[in-house]
Amino acid sequence: KQEVTQIPAALSVPEGENLVLNCSFTDSAIYNLQWFRQDPGKGLTSLLLIQSSQREQTSGRLNASLDKSSGRSTLYIAASQPGDSATYLCAGAGSYQLTFGKGTKLSVIP
Amino acid sequence: DAGVIQSPRHEVTEMGQEVTLRCKPISGHNSLFWYRQTMMRGLELLIYFNNNVPIDDSGMPEDRFSAKMPNASFSTLKIQPSEPRDSAVYFCASSFHSGEGEKLFFGSGTQLSVL
Repeated sequence: KQEVTQIPAALSVPEGENLVLNCSFTDSAIYNLQWFRQDPGKGLTSLLLIQSSQREQTSGRLNASLDKSSGRSTLYIAASQPGDSATYLCAGAGSYQLTFGKGTKLSVIP
Repeated sequence: DAGVIQSPRHEVTEMGQEVTLRCKPISGHNSLFWYRQTMMRGLELLIYFNNNVPIDDSGMPEDRFSAKMPNASFSTLKIQPSEPRDSAVYFCASSFHSGEGEKLFFGSGTQLSVL
């Protein structure tokens, strides 16, 4: 059974700092790895999807990497802004089922 | 597109009452998921439909929970009778399943409180 872990559970950084969020998973036989953002009281918004055959994906200031052999993914956020404050969740996909981590709550301090 | 639409946004009910949550997936999507989110357990998959057919309901906690998808544009999750431990945020999500990786689109959720 897939297990996804995100450490730390919470992170606070000053505005402008570059940061890395970590995600680890136990079953390397994943179809893809997805990163989501969740704002308080809202649903999840898909940020990046990395196929199992890919190593990384980029969107604007976000870059996600995938290392299946080590069971790890990272989400890199460049030049963080207060608007980046949210909970970030990663999820490993089987054939159809996503297994979610519990997320990292990011606070970017102006 | 309006995205995945869920109703109601908030539901407060008393223990023992029936609760029905509703979901309209994105047009053209063939996969629909119901998730439950709590602080303790995070996001848990309750049930997965593909082409309106329930494929995996192993996450449905017990017989009090049931889900239907009568057509491609509508799904319901029903809890009868409801219990305080059912209090959580319930999300509906949809995607187009093509056998490869595809993004999952979530609704805004229903915050359920059972008193």
